[in-house]
Amino acid sequence: QKEVEQNSGPLSVPEGAIASLNCTYSDRVSQSFFWYRQYSGKSPELIMSIYSNGDKEDGRFTAQLNKASQYVSLLIRDSQPSDSATYLCAVNDDYKLSFGAGTTVTVRA
Amino acid sequence: EAGVAQSPRYKIIEKRQSVAFWCNPISGHATLYWYQQILGQGPKLLIQFQNNGVVDDSQLPKDRFSAERLKGVDSTLKIQPAKLEDSAVYLCASSLLLAASSYEQYFGPGTRLTVT
Repeated sequence: QKEVEQNSGPLSVPEGAIASLNCTYSDRVSQSFFWYRQYSGKSPELIMSIYSNGDKEDGRFTAQLNKASQYVSLLIRDSQPSDSATYLCAVNDDYKLSFGAGTTVTVRA
Repeated sequence: EAGVAQSPRYKIIEKRQSVAFWCNPISGHATLYWYQQILGQGPKLLIQFQNNGVVDDSQLPKDRFSAERLKGVDSTLKIQPAKLEDSAVYLCASSLLLAASSYEQYFGPGTRLTVT
């Protein structure tokens, strides 16, 4: 399984702030990148997918991809307590996904 | 659209016993995945099916784990005999396409297994 590294947490941010999550991957040929949110005791939920270099915005979430640097990030703007969860980065490894260990985000009121 | 269904949600067994998990993917999804997620780690792929054929089972401990997907829909994952280190959440996921540009997978609620 290919390496997918995420910044170690936990990450604590005040309500209304921007949470920044980073992910690097080892396989230069990877083409598909995903962010999943996992609440404690629940299963992962797909929140963002990105396939091309640059930014992709969806509501308060922005994914950024830089294939040359093998780097993908997720920004959460105007963080809310409901954003408190573990965020998993996933990268395609041939026809399957390799997941990082996740970064736990806590949004404090 | 109904999501991925799994059962049971929780299971507690003693080591050396056997256990089976069931998964029903989203209707029309040809690809089905079984993952093992240990606390504090990301999901680890155990086996991947395309319809009723195995695409990848390289990380499945075949001496104790087995899986099947008869008729290309439902799937079962079995552990026999269980070890303490098998305590984890077993996640089933499905996806619509097996193609380079689309690996969007949707997860079921998982089965939390505790081996004592």
